Amino acid sequence: DAMVIQNPRYQVTQFGKPVTLSCSQTLNHNVMYWYQQKSSQAPKLLFHYYDKDFNNEADTPDNFQSRRPNTSFCFLDIRSPGLGDAAMYLCATSSKYGSGTDTQYFGPGTRLTVL
Amino acid sequence: GQNIDQPTEMTATEGAIVQINCTYQTSGFNGLFWYQQHAGEAPTFLSYNVLDGLEEKGRFSSFLSRSKGYSYLLLKELQMKDSASYLCAAYDSNYQLIWGAGTKLIIKP
Repeated sequence: DAMVIQNPRYQVTQFGKPVTLSCSQTLNHNVMYWYQQKSSQAPKLLFHYYDKDFNNEADTPDNFQSRRPNTSFCFLDIRSPGLGDAAMYLCATSSKYGSGTDTQYFGPGTRLTVL
Repeated sequence: GQNIDQPTEMTATEGAIVQINCTYQTSGFNGLFWYQQHAGEAPTFLSYNVLDGLEEKGRFSSFLSRSKGYSYLLLKELQMKDSASYLCAAYDSNYQLIWGAGTKLIIKP
């Protein structure tokens, strides 16, 4: 009964080689988020989708892109990974945006290694 | 700027009680969350406070004081499986979630 699923759990890529991380959810939530988290640091929001509306954080590098083809799936594309992009990438969902009671539910994360 | 402060690391003994503090400075406030994160895993939701006072959930309780910009997470009857990082996060006026870096809790037998 997994609710937010991320694949793969571990991803190794080479410097500059494009990589795609995937996230799917069975909660039918309207909002999906992508976070980057480095060791012992707070999760950093990269962007979120409210339904099909894409919202990019101002400081998210252009190297990071996202797609949400339907309610259930969301992808994170890193066009040219650098060594500094090695991190845990967390996908989260919530039922609505802009409500203080709204809880974000996280997937297990994908740990990205850049060689 | 917006900021969440919490201790980097705490150590406690199995069976004891520990309180993890969090202070926040945000542009407006729409509630505060506590999440638990085991090493290498995703955060899992523990609690949400928006009104002043104490919310109790089994062994875990969370307290909020809006006037002081302060919250704490209280863990009772500590178990070894409680060894994890505990993340405090607050919604600002735009419902942007501001995260702390987490408090790593080490439980010793």
